[in-house]
Amino acid sequence: SAVISQKPSRDICQRGTSLTIQCQVDSQVTMMFWYRQQPGQSLTLIATANQGSEATYESGFVIDKFPISRPNLTFSTLTVSNMSPEDSSIYLCSVESPDRVFGTGELFFGEGSRLTVL
Amino acid sequence: GQQVMQIPQYQHVQEGEDFTTYCNSSTTLSNIQWYKQRPGGHPVFLIQLVKSGEVKKQKRLTFQFGEAKKNSSLHITATQTTDVGTYFCAWGNFNKFYFGSGTKLNVKP
Repeated sequence: SAVISQKPSRDICQRGTSLTIQCQVDSQVTMMFWYRQQPGQSLTLIATANQGSEATYESGFVIDKFPISRPNLTFSTLTVSNMSPEDSSIYLCSVESPDRVFGTGELFFGEGSRLTVL
Repeated sequence: GQQVMQIPQYQHVQEGEDFTTYCNSSTTLSNIQWYKQRPGGHPVFLIQLVKSGEVKKQKRLTFQFGEAKKNSSLHITATQTTDVGTYFCAWGNFNKFYFGSGTKLNVKP
């Protein structure tokens, strides 16, 4: 299993500002995932972050808007840049369990960061 | 591209009634996972299915993966108020994980 600490847990931000979310894992993991969950909606994958390489972004998400750092195997940050009210959402950090069966394992999630942009 | 539909979107049941949510894919899935998200919480892994026709049980929960690996279901027998939450199917594809739209379950005591 993996324990994930994510902060801030919530924040209220002004339009046009940027906020960085931190994700700390209690074990070394190869891949970390960032998801967005808008109110009442499902989880949408933003990007996959591997240590030592640039993050891979999903369609509709770009590095300029959501820059990601992955300096080591236990830590990652996601920045939400130049925020607008449409960015109000919960942002979730996730890692895959190393217990793999046929190629994939379960995901563990942080508690999430609830951002409100005014 | 791959499309996975999850139905129903909402389900309201009386405590003790059964509940089922379905995920249907337009293409074959290599695996499927199920997660539960309680109100205000984060998703928590329930199960993973990888084999065609696989059926797994966890107490009152029964999970199935279709023979063609294109659909899956989660069935809860005799729901309890602790079952309240949103149930998501999810699938892995080239080391990425995508989530269905979810089924929100409300259980009336």
